[in-house]
Amino acid sequence: DTGVSQNPRHKITKRGQNVTFRCDPISEHNRLYWYRQTLGQGPEFLTYFQNEAQLEKSRLLSDRFSAERPKGSFSTLEIQRTEQGDSAMYLCASSYGLAGTYVYEQFFGPGTRLTVL
Amino acid sequence: AQSVTQPDIHITVSEGASLELRCNYSYGATPYLFWYVQSPGQGLQLLLKYFSGDTLVQGIKGFEAEFKRSQSSFNLRKPSVHWSDAAEYFCAVVPPSGGSYIPTFGRGTSLIVHP
Repeated sequence: DTGVSQNPRHKITKRGQNVTFRCDPISEHNRLYWYRQTLGQGPEFLTYFQNEAQLEKSRLLSDRFSAERPKGSFSTLEIQRTEQGDSAMYLCASSYGLAGTYVYEQFFGPGTRLTVL
Repeated sequence: AQSVTQPDIHITVSEGASLELRCNYSYGATPYLFWYVQSPGQGLQLLLKYFSGDTLVQGIKGFEAEFKRSQSSFNLRKPSVHWSDAAEYFCAVVPPSGGSYIPTFGRGTSLIVHP
């Protein structure tokens, strides 16, 4: 068990560019979550997957944000046409859970810090 | 919608002193309750959780939390703080039903430990 990994750890981009972040969950975990954390705030839920199915995406911040989890393994979060307000830490977490239940601990990755110039 | 309030942005304690971090929630039913710790450059780590049953919950690293339904609170405590406890602490709630189980986090309390 190597934990949840996220790449890159840091990303600096110019406004208007697209960025993509990757999350590799703990191997046996079937749930994967994305959060955004801005300075001085707690994590803000964005979306989550049960295996390859994206079960909740209404909290994605705008249509510039999208996430995928092909084959139910790693996941990517893409932000198109980045804006300075997108600068934040993007956290990924994984857990094991049966559909319709939530009693399992989420394990968080170290995050990807995005800076939009 | 549920909400979580952590009224203290910063808490400063001396090493060896006791600690209590406050968390209040607003929700119609008793939610699932969690405390996480985040060290600089690290992801969040679960300290403890409450789902039901005994209202005093023991966690890792010597932390405990007490659920008080009448006060809608879930305060985190530690009898003797170590310098390594300096970190950001987050309280989170998850609704117990509805299917989505989306967590809501508080804004966090930054713990500063003086030697």
